Amino acid sequence: GAVVSQHPSRVICKSGTSVKIECRSLDFQATTMFWYRQFPKKSLMLMATSNEGSKATYEQGVEKDKFLINHASLTLSTLTVTSAHPEDSSFYICSARRGAARPYEQYFGPGTRLTVT
Amino acid sequence: QKEVEQDPGPLSVPEGAIVSLNCTYSNSAFQYFMWYRQYSRKGPELLMYTYSSGNKEDGRFTAQVDKSSKYISLFIRDSQPSDSATYLCAMSAITSQGAQKLVFGQGTRLTINP
Repeated sequence: GAVVSQHPSRVICKSGTSVKIECRSLDFQATTMFWYRQFPKKSLMLMATSNEGSKATYEQGVEKDKFLINHASLTLSTLTVTSAHPEDSSFYICSARRGAARPYEQYFGPGTRLTVT
Repeated sequence: QKEVEQDPGPLSVPEGAIVSLNCTYSNSAFQYFMWYRQYSRKGPELLMYTYSSGNKEDGRFTAQVDKSSKYISLFIRDSQPSDSATYLCAMSAITSQGAQKLVFGQGTRLTINP
């Protein structure tokens, strides 16, 4: 099956610093990648959609200057949280799918827990 | 009104019980209906998907879709403690632009007690 990895799985950073999270599709080429945020006991909230080689499309209310997304290759997307604050602490999950995929052919990474102190 | 509504629970049942999880939705354009299982601090994993209406069975799991009522269900038979997780329904459609984004329910926390 399709495998998506995330790195790191857990990160702690100080307020004001930036942190980068990587999402990789290990055995397929991901035309589209998605970034979600999940608060405790809550559902996944889509932050942005990125297509390889294009600018990401952000959901309403998500600050694109704060959450920088790069999808430079068909197997790698990165999310950089800039000038992180404690309220950015959350569980970040990426997912990936091939071009012309069905909706259920979207594969999720294991998530990255970010704690901002 | 949210596009997808799901009772967050928590739901606690004894081992061996039949579990029924449900979601309602408002967007009649949805064509694909998915159920994901998410263990604590892990990413969601696809359990089952259904296209359009009807039933689909996979082992102990049965997914049902009633498009006329805009209601979907996931049944778990002979529930096991290892089924304890959060179950998320998700829905989507395919348009001329391709597969659309997944719309998730809130997720139901399920605990199966030995």
